[in-house]
Amino acid sequence: DAKTTQPNSMESNEEEPVHLPCNHSTISGTDYIHWYRQLPSQGPEYVIHGLTSNVNNRMASLAIAEDRKSSTLILHRATLRDAAVYYCILRVSFGNEKLTFGTGTRLTIIP
Amino acid sequence: GAGVSQSPRYKVAKRGQDVALRCDPISGHVSLFWYQQALGQGPEFLTYFQNEAQLDKSGLPSDRFFAERPEGSVSTLKIQRTQQEDSAVYLCASSSAGGPGDTQYFGPGTRLTVL
Repeated sequence: DAKTTQPNSMESNEEEPVHLPCNHSTISGTDYIHWYRQLPSQGPEYVIHGLTSNVNNRMASLAIAEDRKSSTLILHRATLRDAAVYYCILRVSFGNEKLTFGTGTRLTIIP
Repeated sequence: GAGVSQSPRYKVAKRGQDVALRCDPISGHVSLFWYQQALGQGPEFLTYFQNEAQLDKSGLPSDRFFAERPEGSVSTLKIQRTQQEDSAVYLCASSSAGGPGDTQYFGPGTRLTVL
C-alpha cells in the first residue's frame, strides 16, 4: 500500500486557518486521498476526500498538488472543537476496502 | 439518524476469559469493518464483511479472534482466552457501498482492558 507522511503535531490559534500537510509520493493514479479525524475518546470521523481536483465541503477544503504527491487539508477557521488527530489515508482501487491509518497529526488549538 | 453503535462501551476481563463485542451498523450498510486501536496509535484493520460474507480477515492477530455477521447486519467480535496485549479500543465502522470513494462511519468503540 502507498504510504503517507504527516507531521506528528501542529498547533494553531483559535479562529485562524490551519493547513495540515500530507506527503504521498508513491500514490498511484487510481488512489483516492481521504482525511479522517479522531476527537478525544471518539471513533474516527470522515472529513473529506478527493482524487485529482481540489474539494470543498462544510468541514474543510482539500488542496491536491498537481502531481498528486502531496495534499493539504485546510480548516478555514479553527475552533477548539477541531482539536483532534487528523489522518491522511490513501484508498486504493476496488478490492481493498480497508482504511490504513498512520499515526496522524495531533492538532492543538490555542485559545 | 442513528449512527453506528457498539456495546459494551467498556469491558474489563480477567486474563483467560472470553469476551464478545457487539456492533450495530447503520441500517442498510452493506460493508462492516472492525479495527483495533492501541493506546497512542492509529486504528489497525482487523476484518471486513460485505453483507454476511467475511471477505478479508487478514488483520486478525491470532486464531483467538473471531468475527461474525450471520444475517448481514449486526456483527460480533469474539476474543477467546484474552491476553493483556488484547487491551485496546475496538472500533466498528460501516459503509454503504464500498469502493475507494466511499465513506466509513465509525462507532464510539469498545475499550477492552485485560487484567
